[in-house]
Amino acid sequence: AQKVTQAQTEISVVEKEDVTLDCVYETRDTTYYLFWYKQPPSGELVFLIRRNSFDEQNEISGRYSWNFQKSTSSFNFTITASQVVDSAVYFCALLKETSGSRLTFGEGTQLTVNP
Amino acid sequence: DARVTQTPRHKVTEMGQEVTMRCQPILGHNTVFWYRQTMMQGLELLAYFRNRAPLDDSGMPKDRFSAEMPDATLATLKIQPSEPRDSAVYFCASGLSRGSGANVLTFGAGSRLTVL
Repeated sequence: AQKVTQAQTEISVVEKEDVTLDCVYETRDTTYYLFWYKQPPSGELVFLIRRNSFDEQNEISGRYSWNFQKSTSSFNFTITASQVVDSAVYFCALLKETSGSRLTFGEGTQLTVNP
Repeated sequence: DARVTQTPRHKVTEMGQEVTMRCQPILGHNTVFWYRQTMMQGLELLAYFRNRAPLDDSGMPKDRFSAEMPDATLATLKIQPSEPRDSAVYFCASGLSRGSGANVLTFGAGSRLTVL
């Protein structure tokens, strides 16, 4: 079975603080993909990043960065210098290559960035 | 930007009524998913189509839910009869099963259903 755990239900920070959202996954497959999606107050889920299990390079995109560590089965997401517009629910998700494109989502982390 | 279009955005109905939600996937996408989001259960997969063929609907209550793709531009999710526990936001998502963008889903804005 596969599982995604986002232990932080809610995080509240003040603007310009850095914040890290944790994601831990479980799978027995050797080939899989990890994703992060953002759900702003408008409700629509927005794709942020996809990583495959063979690429452990960290990735940076502007203020966003992702740290993938297979040794700890984690795929953490850091927002640097957070802004109010970053306030949203963030979902980590796992896709097994053998699952026919079915994503398993974590429970989500509600991030609130206060001015 | 290409979008997944869902209708209706909001629906309030009474228990026992039939509800139909529609989804227009992105042109060229060959996979379509229906997810349900509730506070208690989070995001749950209800049904999944590839090239219009249903591949997995194990997440759907079979007695009252049905999902179809009459053509490549339309996916429907029907609930008959609806019950209060069906109240949720229903998301449609589409994607590609192959290529560089494989498995990256584009979600619609959701249909918020309230069953009284």
